[in-house]
Amino acid sequence: GQQLNQSPQSMFIQEGEDVSMNCTSSSIFNTWLWYKQDPGEGPVLLIALYKAGELTSNGRLTAQFGITRKDSFLNISASIPSDVGIYFCAGQLVPGKLIFGQGTTLQVKP
Amino acid sequence: DAGITQSPRYKITETGRQVTLMCHQTWSHSYMFWYRQDLGHGLRLIYYSAAADITDKGEVPDGYVVSRSKTENFPLTLESATRSQTSVYFCASSEKMGLGYTFGSGTRLTVV
Repeated sequence: GQQLNQSPQSMFIQEGEDVSMNCTSSSIFNTWLWYKQDPGEGPVLLIALYKAGELTSNGRLTAQFGITRKDSFLNISASIPSDVGIYFCAGQLVPGKLIFGQGTTLQVKP
Repeated sequence: DAGITQSPRYKITETGRQVTLMCHQTWSHSYMFWYRQDLGHGLRLIYYSAAADITDKGEVPDGYVVSRSKTENFPLTLESATRSQTSVYFCASSEKMGLGYTFGSGTRLTVV
C-alpha cells in the first residue's frame, strides 16, 4: 500500500535550536497535514496544506507542500521544552483516507 | 462538554472475547474514523464512515466491525480479540472530506 517515509525518526536538540523534519512519498497527494502528539493524547492538527508549493506558518511552525506533491517539510524555529512530542505527517489522496508517516520523536534539552 | 470522547481509556481483555470501543462526538461531524497506533507502524486506518449508516474499510479492517446508527457515535467492535490487536486505538472526526481530523484521546487495549 501507499507509504509515507518520515525522517528523522527521532531528534534530541538543545532549547533554542531550529528543527526540520520531512515526509516523502512515491504517490502524489492533494493534501498534506502535520500533527503533534503529546504523551497519552491523540494527535492534534498543527498545519494543513492544500496546494502544491504552499508555504504556511503557525507561530514558530512553518510547513511547505512540495511542488512535486510527493513531499512536505515542517520547520520549528527556536524550539522550547513544550515542543517535545511526536510529530506526524499525513497525506490524503483518496477522500476520507489519510496516510500517516511513522512519526518523528522530538526531545528538547533545556 | 463539546468534543470527541473515547471510552474506556484503558481496557484489558482476554483472547477470544468480544470487546467494543466507544467513540462519541458532539459536533455533528459527518466523517468519523478509527485508527490504531503501533510502534513502527504509525497510525493505520481501520474503518471510516462518511455519514450515518455508511461505513467503509480502511487499511487494516480484518477482525473489526463498526456501525454508525447515529451521527454522533461510531463504536468499534473486536468480535474475537487476538493478541495482535493489542494497540492504542484512536477515533477521529471531520466536518468535511479533506479537512484535518480531530482525534480523541485514545483507548489503550491489551489482549492477554
